[in-house]
Amino acid sequence: DTEVTQTPKHLVMGMTNKKSLKCEQHMGHRAMYWYKQKAKKPPELMFVYSYEKLSINESVPSRFSPECPNSSLLNLHLHALQPEDSALYLCASSQVSQALELYYGNTIYFGEGSWLTVV
Amino acid sequence: AQKITQTQPGMFVQEKEAVTLDCTYDTSDPSYGLFWYKQPSSGEMIFLIYQGSYDQQNATEGRYSLNFQKARKSANLVISASQLGDSAMYFCAMRGPNTGNQFYFGTGTSLTVIP
Repeated sequence: DTEVTQTPKHLVMGMTNKKSLKCEQHMGHRAMYWYKQKAKKPPELMFVYSYEKLSINESVPSRFSPECPNSSLLNLHLHALQPEDSALYLCASSQVSQALELYYGNTIYFGEGSWLTVV
Repeated sequence: AQKITQTQPGMFVQEKEAVTLDCTYDTSDPSYGLFWYKQPSSGEMIFLIYQGSYDQQNATEGRYSLNFQKARKSANLVISASQLGDSAMYFCAMRGPNTGNQFYFGTGTSLTVIP
C-alpha cells in the first residue's frame, strides 16, 4: 500500500468552483511534489516543495495554487479551472540528501492520484 | 539536455513468460539515477526498481531486474514469469545533476499479459 495518501480520489468541479486536493505522507520526507498527467502521457512536474518551501514552479497558471502547511501535508488549491485542466493529479514525496552521491538515488514515491474533471 | 526514450508503445507477453521493456537515455552527466515505475489503470505510480550510474551490479527486485548497459546508455527492465497483474503502463525515468528535483520520464510502454 502506498504511504502517500491523496484525497479526494475523484473530483468533478465547475469552472467557477474553488476546490482543493490534499496529500499526506508520513515517511519523514522533506520534498513533496505535484504532477499532472494526461491520458497515455508521462507525468508532468508542476511544483516542488523542499523543506516546506516552494523550490520549483514549472510556470504553472495561477489558477493552481500550492500550499505546504507542514512537512507532512501538501495541498493544491484549484480556482477557475478550464476543461483542459481535467487530468490525473499525482502527489509524491522523497527524501532530500545532502550528499551528492546519494541525491540522485532518492526515489520519488507517488500517491494513488486524484482524478479531476472540470465541466 | 536529458532525454529518456522508450521505443515500444505497446507490448504483449504470454503469462509466465519473461519480457524486456526498453529504455535508452541521453546525458552527459557522470552521476545519475535510473528508475522504473508501473502504473496500472487505477492511476497510482508504483516504484519498481532503481539503478545508480556508479552501481557495478545490475539491480534486481523480486521478478524485476534492470539490464544496465552504461556504454550503450540503456536501462532495460526485465520482468520474469509475467503475471496477469503485470498488465499496466511502465515508465522509465532519470534524475541527474542538471535535473534538480526533477525526474525526466519516458513516454511509457503499455504491457498486456495474455492468459
